[in-house]
Amino acid sequence: DQQVKQNSPSLSVQEGRISILNCDYTNSMFDYFLWYKKYPAEGPTFLISISSIKDKNEDGRFTVFLNKSAKHLSLHIVPSQPGDSAVYFCAASATYNNDMRFGAGTRLTVKP
Amino acid sequence: KAGVTQTPRYLIKTRGQQVTLSCSPISGHRSVSWYQQTPGQGLQFLFEYFSETQRNKGNFPGRFSGRQFSNSRSEMNVSTLELGDSALYLCASSTGQAYTEAFFGQGTRLTVV
Repeated sequence: DQQVKQNSPSLSVQEGRISILNCDYTNSMFDYFLWYKKYPAEGPTFLISISSIKDKNEDGRFTVFLNKSAKHLSLHIVPSQPGDSAVYFCAASATYNNDMRFGAGTRLTVKP
Repeated sequence: KAGVTQTPRYLIKTRGQQVTLSCSPISGHRSVSWYQQTPGQGLQFLFEYFSETQRNKGNFPGRFSGRQFSNSRSEMNVSTLELGDSALYLCASSTGQAYTEAFFGQGTRLTVV
């Protein structure tokens, strides 16, 4: 039942460079997409979202891109900072019934 | 305002036992969702309750059940525990409206021995 897939379990980037995290989904009913960040021993915290009527949403260093035809979204972090090191979860929601599903997560390590 | 509170934080149970986990959502939130996090599996959706009714359900066996009370607090129950049930169980609260994010608690770490 993997309706949301994050195929890269881990990503390592140098401080100051761009981090690109990818996510694919299969359910065409999903129309709202979110990214969460999770530190050890804490619950995930909301980072940024995008609705299906947009293809880009930006919030400071974080930008989410949505390609509906490819059922693909990505999170760009520019510039990456060591404090960004965490597990990032992609989530997709079908707003008609509030069904929200998550991917397996990508562990980002930003090296100083 | 207070965040999402999950109790207990840690739990050790024996195979075959049952367990009840609790989640108090953010005040005013009517939707509570439960997720299981295991290494490599990410956050797997268990179920979602909205205004005391189960609105969505994931692909977990019937040993996993939940309920929501009139004050929106939710409980999750796992019966006949198996070793594979060892995981971090996360609760998320939201308004239940479209295009809104969910807020997570810190989770309950369940270990089955």
